[in-house]
Amino acid sequence: GQNIDQPTEMTATEGAIVQINCTYQTSGFNGLFWYQQHAGEAPTFLSYNVLDGLEEKGRFSSFLSRSKGYSYLLLKELQMKDSASYLCALMDSNYQLIWGAGTKLIIKP
Amino acid sequence: EAGVAQSPRYKIIEKRQSVAFWCNPISGHATLYWYQQILGQGPKLLIQFQNNGVVDDSQLPKDRFSAERLKGVDSTLKIQPAKLEDSAVYLCASSPGAGGHTDTQYFGPGTRLTVL
Repeated sequence: GQNIDQPTEMTATEGAIVQINCTYQTSGFNGLFWYQQHAGEAPTFLSYNVLDGLEEKGRFSSFLSRSKGYSYLLLKELQMKDSASYLCALMDSNYQLIWGAGTKLIIKP
Repeated sequence: EAGVAQSPRYKIIEKRQSVAFWCNPISGHATLYWYQQILGQGPKLLIQFQNNGVVDDSQLPKDRFSAERLKGVDSTLKIQPAKLEDSAVYLCASSPGAGGHTDTQYFGPGTRLTVL
């Protein structure tokens, strides 16, 4: 089966950098996604990794190590609007998304 | 480009009542998904359609939940009868392709269901 772990909650300061980790176990793998979800809103796509390494997209970067079953989302120059939950989701061998519970990120001034 | 539309946004019902949710995906998107998201958890896939055919409904509680996508566009999800544990946000998503790894899913705003 599949299992995804990510921290429940993290706190960071405006202007700083934060790294949200995600570890997973799966028998089939077709990539890892990160989504952002503001309270009461739908998830929105942030990034997708299928090969090892770092994908950079503006202030957000996502890293994947398939051998370690590990990914992280890196947020730079944090802004108050970045306060949200960040969901890690892996795509299994059937191309279904298996979601983590999300990490609630709190940004303080 | 219009996004995924869902209605209603909020619904409060009593247990054992019935409820239906509606989803209009992004125009031209072949694949449509219904997810259940319980507070504090990630979304759980209930059913996936490609055009008007069901791709996966293995996690749909078929004794009380049903869904259809008759013309390969709009979809409805029904719960009959509702239980307290059905209280959740029901998210609809669509993707342009067949649901493969390059097929990004776009989510609607969700319907928040409260069962009393």
